[in-house]
Amino acid sequence: TQLLEQSPQFLSIQEGENLTVYCNSSSVFSSLQWYRQEPGEGPVLLVTVVTGGEVKKLKRLTFQFGDARKDSSLHITAAQPGDTGLYLCAGSKRGTSYGKLTFGQGTILTVHP
Amino acid sequence: DAGVIQSPRHEVTEMGQEVTLRCKPISGHNSLFWYRQTMMRGLELLIYFNNNVPIDDSGMPEDRFSAKMPNASFSTLKIQPSEPRDSAVYFCASSPGRRFYEQYFGPGTRLTVT
Repeated sequence: TQLLEQSPQFLSIQEGENLTVYCNSSSVFSSLQWYRQEPGEGPVLLVTVVTGGEVKKLKRLTFQFGDARKDSSLHITAAQPGDTGLYLCAGSKRGTSYGKLTFGQGTILTVHP
Repeated sequence: DAGVIQSPRHEVTEMGQEVTLRCKPISGHNSLFWYRQTMMRGLELLIYFNNNVPIDDSGMPEDRFSAKMPNASFSTLKIQPSEPRDSAVYFCASSPGRRFYEQYFGPGTRLTVT
């Protein structure tokens, strides 16, 4: 059983479309991160959210942390082929040892020109 | 600034051989993490260090795996003896100070054990 459940697992869309990726858990997290990984490379940190209800924007990407700090979403507006990649959410669960991040299984996004 | 450096980038070895993966964290970062990524299990934390001291090694699969961090700028992950099921991409990551959750990953080492 995954501590962080991401949905959907796969997403294939056309350039210009909007999309939302979800990251859900039954546990409360002290903070939650979103990473993007391209083939042959390591994950790259996109954003960290720490406050329940927090919304952060990074150009066309909007990240939201749930009020109860158990879930998060990533919304991409007007997707571009350069957005293609594996999107991972990760969280630091309350009560776990300092420094321990748990990753979701990821969402593979493909944006077709 | 240089990011996290890992070597080798690719390693192909035969079952039973010893494998050593190396990592140089970002200068000034005092936490270092070793992860393994496979299609089946995703990204799993193996072990992490804070100020060169191992803090949590509960993710290390078995005694065949060991990790060391002799100083702030170098760490190794050793597998002895290696098995085909160890085939995966191994990532090293580092993080600064108290913001341990902001992790910077290296490019990974793709390990194939035949």
